[in-house]
Amino acid sequence: DMKVTQMPRYLIKRMGENVLLECGQDMSHETMYWYRQDPGLGLQLIYISYDVDSNSEGDIPKGYRVSRKKREHFSLILDSAKTNQTSVYFCASSPRDNSNSDYTFGSGTRLLVI
Amino acid sequence: KTQVEQSPQSLVVRQGENCVLQCNYSVTPDNHLRWFKQDTGKGLVSLTVLVHENDKTSNGRYSATLDKDAKHSTLHITATLLDDTATYICVVGDRGSALGRLHFGAGTQLIVIP
Repeated sequence: DMKVTQMPRYLIKRMGENVLLECGQDMSHETMYWYRQDPGLGLQLIYISYDVDSNSEGDIPKGYRVSRKKREHFSLILDSAKTNQTSVYFCASSPRDNSNSDYTFGSGTRLLVI
Repeated sequence: KTQVEQSPQSLVVRQGENCVLQCNYSVTPDNHLRWFKQDTGKGLVSLTVLVHENDKTSNGRYSATLDKDAKHSTLHITATLLDDTATYICVVGDRGSALGRLHFGAGTQLIVIP
């Protein structure tokens, strides 16, 4: 069953702590994404990765960084978390040639920064 | 500025009734439009994708239309079930490749009551 797996599902961190969100996919998709979802807003793109070590900023990259050392794994890192980074974070993947607009989303990580 | 607007923001229907969800967008170019279902606390699951001018799709009790001239899409759900309770998200992609960006609506929250 093709899927995107996110870990952990839930996370509580204190302000100033470092946060690591992990995402894996088993479809050999070249492209992976990190989004955040806040109430009343559509998903917002944080970072996009086109392949290993080929990452680009999305629309709201400030306060985040990413790491992609293997095609199947994409990490989102918050150095010194802030309370306004409390959100639900979604990872997604797609093939490079996406003429079928095929996107697969993970189940999300709910992060609470206190 | 929000480029994908969904209406209504929320909707309550009785089980067995039909409902229609609307999506208006200003994304240019508009390569494709996809409707997702998001159960509470879960990820996005694709319902259907529309690509061409005046496309119509059908997936069981879900059917959708796209009018690219008007930049408008509708999602029809017939004979609603309690399990249809979810948020329905309209997403417009501006390209058919990984270089494209997805533009998300904030979603319509549908509640189906007995």
